[in-house]
Amino acid sequence: SQTIHQWPATLVQPVGSPLSLECTVEGTSNPNLYWYRQAAGRGLQLLFYSVGIGQISSEVPQNLSASRPQDRQFILSSKKLLLSDSGFYLCAWSPGQRPNQPQHFGDGTRLSIL
Amino acid sequence: TQLLEQSPQFLSIQEGENLTVYCNSSSVFSSLQWYRQEPGEGPVLLVTVVTGGEVKKLKRLTFQFGDARKDSSLHITAAQTGDTGLYLCAGAWGATNKLIFGTGTLLAVQP
Repeated sequence: SQTIHQWPATLVQPVGSPLSLECTVEGTSNPNLYWYRQAAGRGLQLLFYSVGIGQISSEVPQNLSASRPQDRQFILSSKKLLLSDSGFYLCAWSPGQRPNQPQHFGDGTRLSIL
Repeated sequence: TQLLEQSPQFLSIQEGENLTVYCNSSSVFSSLQWYRQEPGEGPVLLVTVVTGGEVKKLKRLTFQFGDARKDSSLHITAAQTGDTGLYLCAGAWGATNKLIFGTGTLLAVQP
C-alpha cells in the first residue's frame, strides 16, 4: 500500500533563517506531488505541484521554492523565512496520468516563525 | 480565478441533528471531492462525485453533485460526536489533477 511521510511535524524558526521541509511517498511510481499551505480552520492553498522529477509549477508568488530531486521526494525550501510564512504545510500525492484522482495527504508540518 | 465557497463556515449542533453543507462555484469542474480533516492531521478523502446530478451515500453521509457540475452538497443525518471536524470540498480540473479547495466548514457536534 502507498504511504506518505512528511517531516518534521512541528518547527519553530527565527525570521531570516532557512527552511527545508521534506516529503516522501512509498508504494507508487510517477506520482503527482503537491505542497499546500493552510490557515487555521480554512481551506488549502496550493503552493507548488510536480508531475515529474525536476518539473515544478508554482501557483502563487512567494518566498518559498520547491524541488523534486527524486521521483517520490518533494522538498519545500526557503532561503530566508518571513513572519508571514507561518502556517500549516501539507504535502500530498495523487496517481499521475489519470484524471479525477483523489489526493492523499501527509500529516502536515506546523511552522511557527518567531 | 476559480473559487469554491462553502457555507456555513462554522456549525455547532447537538448529537442526533441533521445538517447540510454547501459548496458553490461559478466554475465547472470535472469532479468534486469531499474531504474531512481532524486537527493536526491531513485531510482524508470521503467521496468523489464525477457525473452531474450524481448522488452518493456513505452511511449517514449523502453527497450530491449539481447538474451543471458547479456545486455540491453534503448532508449528514443524525450527526454523531465523531463527525466533528473540518469538511472541505475540492474541485478538480485538467490533466494535472490539481484541486481547488473550498473555504471549509468547521463542524462541532455536541454530546
